This record gives sequence, C-alpha cells and structure tokens, in this order.
Amino acid sequence: DGGITQSPKYLFRKEGQNVTLSCEQNLNHDAMYWYRQDPGQGLRLIYYSQIVNDFQKGDIAEGYSVSREKKESFPLTVTSAQKNPTAFYLCASRLGVYSGANVLTFGAGSRLTVL
Amino acid sequence: AQSVTQPDIHITVSEGASLELRCNYSYGATPYLFWYVQSPGQGLQLLLKYFSGDTLVQGIKGFEAEFKRSQSSFNLRKPSVHWSDAAEYFCAVAPANAGGTSYGKLTFGQGTILTVHP
Repeated sequence: DGGITQSPKYLFRKEGQNVTLSCEQNLNHDAMYWYRQDPGQGLRLIYYSQIVNDFQKGDIAEGYSVSREKKESFPLTVTSAQKNPTAFYLCASRLGVYSGANVLTFGAGSRLTVL
Repeated sequence: AQSVTQPDIHITVSEGASLELRCNYSYGATPYLFWYVQSPGQGLQLLLKYFSGDTLVQGIKGFEAEFKRSQSSFNLRKPSVHWSDAAEYFCAVAPANAGGTSYGKLTFGQGTILTVHP
C-alpha cells in the first residue's frame, strides 16, 4: 500500500546532539512537508519542498535543516541550535502544485524527546 | 496572514449525542478548508474538504461540515457520536488559487480534543 513512512517513531536525544528524522513516501507525490506539533498549538510548518533539490523555509525553520535529493525522501535534521526540540514531528506529502491536488497525506509521526 | 481559530480546546459528549466542532478562519478571500482527525500518537487523517460549490460537504465516518462565508466559519458536525470518534480534531485552511511557493501550505487551528462518554 502507498503511504508515508516516518522513522524512528520514538527518539531520545541529549542536549547538543543533532538528530535526523526520516520521511519516505511511495505515493509519487511531488511536494513534501515537515510540521511540528506541540500540545495546544496545532501544527506549525517547518520546511517544505515542491520539487527535488528545492525546499523552502516554513514558519519555524530556525534550528532545523532538510534535504530533498530524491523525490521519495525528505529527511529533517534537528540541530543543536533548536532550543526546544521536544515535540511530535509530522511529515506530509501532496500530489502536486495545482488545484485539485491540494490535500495533504500525513505520516504517523516521530516523537523526539530531549533528555 | 491567514489564521484559524478553534474556540473549544476540549469537548465532552455522550455516545449517541450530536456533535458540533467550531472553526473560524481569517483570510482575505475564500480559502480551501479542511478538517483532519488525529488519534493519540498517530498522524492526521483527512475527514473532509471544501474547495468550492455546495457549502455543505460530506466526509468520512459520517461527518459533515458547512462553509458559511458570512461568518467565516467551517463547523464540523456529526448527528450521533460513537465512542471511536474520541480523538483530536483540526481545522485547517490553505490559500485558494495561490501560485508559487505558498500553494498548499496549510495553517492549522489549535485543535479540539473530543472525549466520548459511554
């Protein structure tokens, strides 16, 4: 079945460490997104990518980095510069840019805890 | 900038009762509107969406939502709630007919947690 796979589901990190969250999709979707979810704050956009080798900052990109070397993959690195990284991270994808393809499909999420 | 407000952080209903979850948005034009549901520790699942046309939209699991332009609202309803509906619900908006890099960027509300009593 097609879908989005996020790994790991749970991740613990010590302060000062970088960690990378994986997001892989087999939906042949062009666009991919990373959202951060905190209790009572909904979802906030970190980064998004419309095509391979291109990505744009979202609303809360500071302390994060991404790459889009393949259509299927959009890994997110949480760097030591992110001051409050403990959160639930959701990856999403969308078929294309134009009208009629504006529905996001979400992965199951990765929960990052900083010790 | 667009924004979404879900006034109710937490709603409790009895099984079999009707449900209405409120969503108000702020945007200069008619946006695309969505309702998503999230079970604990899981991703989001699309319940329904409004792009244009009939302002009453039907979704999965017996949910419906009505777009009211005059009130900038997109409230979610269900006539009879089941225990399995307990989850967190998110309303979201996206610019309609926007081009370029802003297209498809969703703005989410804070979420409403639904508890269902037997």
